[in-house]
Amino acid sequence: KQEVTQIPAALSVPEGENLVLNCSFTDSAIYNLQWFRQDPGKGLTSLLLIQSSQREQTSGRLNASLDKSSGRSTLYIAASQPGDSATYLCAREYGNKLVFGAGTILRVKS
Amino acid sequence: EAQVTQNPRYLITVTGKKLTVTCSQNMNHEYMSWYRQDPGLGLRQIYYSMNVEVTDKGDVPEGYKVSRKEKRNFPLILESPSPNQTSLYFCASRRRGLVGTGELFFGEGSRLTVL
Repeated sequence: KQEVTQIPAALSVPEGENLVLNCSFTDSAIYNLQWFRQDPGKGLTSLLLIQSSQREQTSGRLNASLDKSSGRSTLYIAASQPGDSATYLCAREYGNKLVFGAGTILRVKS
Repeated sequence: EAQVTQNPRYLITVTGKKLTVTCSQNMNHEYMSWYRQDPGLGLRQIYYSMNVEVTDKGDVPEGYKVSRKEKRNFPLILESPSPNQTSLYFCASRRRGLVGTGELFFGEGSRLTVL
């Protein structure tokens, strides 16, 4: 069974801190690794998509890396803001199926 | 505006009463998919479709049916809902059916309660 684990499950930081969210998967065979953001009562918004031939992607203050050999991806958020508070999920794609992690609940305190 | 639209957003029903949750996308995407989200279990894939008339099971297909007669629509059908299908459901789409292509766009979700 393909599993995706996200650590930590929850994180509370003061505004301005740089932080790292972790995502690991049991099978290093991978096509895409995608990071999403979910706000309470809302759907998921795609943040970054790393294709299997890539090692990282950047968008603004976000940077995601992918290490297939170790089965890990990290999402780096620079200079965190209260508006970054949300649940962050990673999803590993194999074939045409996606397996999601349980998410990291992030709270950025002002 | 590019979007994935689900209806209804909220529904309370009773065991055994057939229901359909509709999903429509306006981005001409080939790939569409349904997920359910449950506390402690995260998002799990129910069914997906790579194009019109092409559907396949995800990880938790039992108790659900889907159809893909038109490219833009991908309804989720619960023929005989049971309380264990109480959940938050999401529809998603992306361009192309091949692996390694396109980010996934999600609808706002449909919260279903089966009594």
